[in-house]
Amino acid sequence: ETGVTQTPRHLVMGMTNKKSLKCEQHLGHNAMYWYKQSAKKPLELMFVYNFKEQTENNSVPSRFSPECPNSSHLFLHLHTLQPEDSALYLCASSQRSSSSAGQETQYFGPGTRLLVL
Amino acid sequence: KQEVTQIPAALSVPEGENLVLNCSFTDSAIYNLQWFRQDPGKGLTSLLLIQSSQREQTSGRLNASLDKSSGRSTLYIAASQPGDSATYLCAVEGRDDKIIFGKGTRLHILP
Repeated sequence: ETGVTQTPRHLVMGMTNKKSLKCEQHLGHNAMYWYKQSAKKPLELMFVYNFKEQTENNSVPSRFSPECPNSSHLFLHLHTLQPEDSALYLCASSQRSSSSAGQETQYFGPGTRLLVL
Repeated sequence: KQEVTQIPAALSVPEGENLVLNCSFTDSAIYNLQWFRQDPGKGLTSLLLIQSSQREQTSGRLNASLDKSSGRSTLYIAASQPGDSATYLCAVEGRDDKIIFGKGTRLHILP
């Protein structure tokens, strides 16, 4: 596998379910990101992890819980979601360093399309 | 608060034409600006990254410009092809590390 992979590609869940989205990057990067893309809305950054530490939580509701066990894997744990959480969830990675600030290209996975019933 | 606007929201042009996509942002204190392409059912593909100190970047038939003082960027596509049909997204990264995306321009190249 190369690049950034995400599983599952599609997920349907009820409001009381608990599920997890998985992202894996094979690029040797040290930063990973979760984005949400809702219909007719701009892409929204949710979480940023640098060297496995969360450096940004963009006012995301607590029903979304990220986990980064190592620099190659990123999870998004979902529980008691709402129908308005239905969206495409994209994972990305980049190589960050203090000397390259502003120069990091992000590489995106194919996304998980989530439908909450 | 940074806001990113992309105009037009949708665009259809005949194959072979040159075209320009526009992106504007309200806060000029940015680290960089990126242009992405998104195909249906797929993730984003980064096309060009312009650092705040740069004025333009080129890759093949694509040229992106950045005018930080006026809060504008353009993506120029030369000799358009049907394979260029996709949604093009502009994103700016601020000095607070926040990345803000525009809503995108949906481009359709007519064969």
